[in-house]
Amino acid sequence: GAGVSQSPSNKVTEKGKDVELRCDPISGHTALYWYRQSLGQGLEFLIYFQGNSAPDKSGLPSDRFSAERTGGSVSTLTIQRTQQEDSAVYLCASSSRQGSYNEQFFGPGTRLTVL
Amino acid sequence: AQKVTQAQTEISVVEKEDVTLDCVYETRDTTYYLFWYKQPPSGELVFLIRRNSFDEQNEISGRYSWNFQKSTSSFNFTITASQVVDSAVYFCALNVPGTASKLTFGTGTRLQVTL
Repeated sequence: GAGVSQSPSNKVTEKGKDVELRCDPISGHTALYWYRQSLGQGLEFLIYFQGNSAPDKSGLPSDRFSAERTGGSVSTLTIQRTQQEDSAVYLCASSSRQGSYNEQFFGPGTRLTVL
Repeated sequence: AQKVTQAQTEISVVEKEDVTLDCVYETRDTTYYLFWYKQPPSGELVFLIRRNSFDEQNEISGRYSWNFQKSTSSFNFTITASQVVDSAVYFCALNVPGTASKLTFGTGTRLQVTL
């Protein structure tokens, strides 16, 4: 596809369950980012990948959150033992290379609802 | 630490009015990049513009214009002759080299343009 894709688009889960969110970046983009958009909180950075490595995990809110990227392409964000405060839209972005100058292209997001 | 403030939570205008969205940023770095993104109801963030800290020239793109003033740490966005299709949430963001290119976002301004 031409843009960043994310799946699922919507996910409803029960408190305590694990969830996996997937991001497919634009082909050839080496940098990949995860952000979270919560009501009233704006957009917050979670984690960044350059290739398959994650040099910056500073935004992950707790050890229940983890992410991986394989083959320099698809990334998966995993939330274990979900809590209601995890409810948010999770956005993925990619850019052609790491660097402050490069604009990030965003996917449509995954709306996570934890009941 | 970096911070972006968008004091206007929501703005409503009638079509064809001009509207300015304010953005104030904070950073101790002398090199940085500023961005504006649009988030229409579909949810996908759309890149609008990027400026670096050494280029204070104002920019115009069609009905959009941006006023960057380092003296007041502001990067305001004006839409001239607004249209209903401009209705969206607009985010201002800051990026500083050495921070893994993560974007620090403001909380966004929701613009509602009515007929």
